[in-house]
Parts: sequence; structure tokens; C-alpha cells
Amino acid sequence: TQLLEQSPQFLSIQEGENLTVYCNSSSVFSSLQWYRQEPGEGPVLLVTVVTGGEVKKLKRLTFQFGDARKDSSLHITAAQPGDTGLYLCAPILSGNTGKLIFGQGTTLQVKP
Amino acid sequence: EAQVTQNPRYLITVTGKKLTVTCSQNMNHEYMSWYRQDPGLGLRQIYYSMNVEVTDKGDVPEGYKVSRKEKRNFPLILESPSPNQTSLYFCASSFAPDYEQYFGPGTRLTVT
Repeated sequence: TQLLEQSPQFLSIQEGENLTVYCNSSSVFSSLQWYRQEPGEGPVLLVTVVTGGEVKKLKRLTFQFGDARKDSSLHITAAQPGDTGLYLCAPILSGNTGKLIFGQGTTLQVKP
Repeated sequence: EAQVTQNPRYLITVTGKKLTVTCSQNMNHEYMSWYRQDPGLGLRQIYYSMNVEVTDKGDVPEGYKVSRKEKRNFPLILESPSPNQTSLYFCASSFAPDYEQYFGPGTRLTVT
């Protein structure tokens, strides 16, 4: 059974601050997706990281996949109120089994 | 417009009264899945379907049924709902499990 931990669970910060969300596991993944969910809506894909050590940037968001492909982080620089939402990591298992797991999520609130 | 639709969006029902939540996608996706979302637990997969007539259990299948008679539709059936099935439900579709998941808007179910 793979364990998946996402932290922190809640984060409340002021506009302009930086933050990092972590997604850790004891298992090796073939790739990992990050989603953002706004209240009243379904999650929307932000990025997929595939290669160990990969870094992807999406404006002020920086995503990193660990060298061993067991962990990932999402760093937001100069957070804006529009970044408020629930951030979910979703590692993809090898073998394309069809089963998908999601982290518990990080609820981010950015105050103006 | 490419989308996943769910109906109803909100439902309040009583224990034991059978209900069906419909899910339909217009993107010709092979893979579809159902999730429930509860505070602090993230998204948990209930059932998934790799293709027509092919369905399999996710992490929390107890108390639920699904069917995939057509590619575009993947209804979730609660034969005898119980209060512990009160939750926010999401349907999702994609070309494959390791591709971007497109989520519906969610169905908020309350079982009293």
C-alpha cells in the first residue's frame, strides 16, 4: 500500500508572500500531476511532471519532481488572492492500472 | 464546448431511497471515473472504467455501483444510500488514466 502525504493541509498567508506545498510518498511514480480546485468547481490540471528532477514553471508557480520520483513540490512566488484554492497532487502509478489517488489537498487562502 | 456534465448538482434524499447520479462527456474519452470528496480526505476514487463494459473498483467502492454501456455515459448508482454517503461527488474523464483528468462540476449529496 503506498502512502501519500500532502502538506501543509491549510495555509493562510498575506498577498505577496511565498509558499511551498509538498507531496511525499514511499512509492516511485511514473509521473505526477498537480490540480487546483476553486470553490464550487471540479479540479483543473495545472501541470504534469514526468522526469526525476524536472522543474516546470507556470507564471509564479514552480513545480518540481524529486530525483527519485517519490516526491514533488509546488512553490508559489508572491502569492495573489487569485491563487486561493485547494491544491491537489495526483501521482501516477506505473503500469497504467486505472486506479488514481490524490493527496489530501492543501487549502490555500491568500488575503489581500 | 468540451465538457463533463453531472446531474443533479444538488440532491437531498433519505436513507434507503435508490438514486442515480448521471455523468456524461463529449470528448470521446476512453477512461472515466467517480470520486467522493470529504473534508481532510481529498479525492477518493470510487469506481473507474477503462472502456465500454469495463469497470473496476477504486479505493472506496462499498455501497456504490456503476455501469458503462456507452462511451460517453458513466452513471453512479446508490442502491440504498446511507448518511455516511453524504459527500461531494465528482465524475472525471480522460483519454487514459495518466492523461489530464477533466472533472465535472460536482454533485453535492445529502442523505438524511
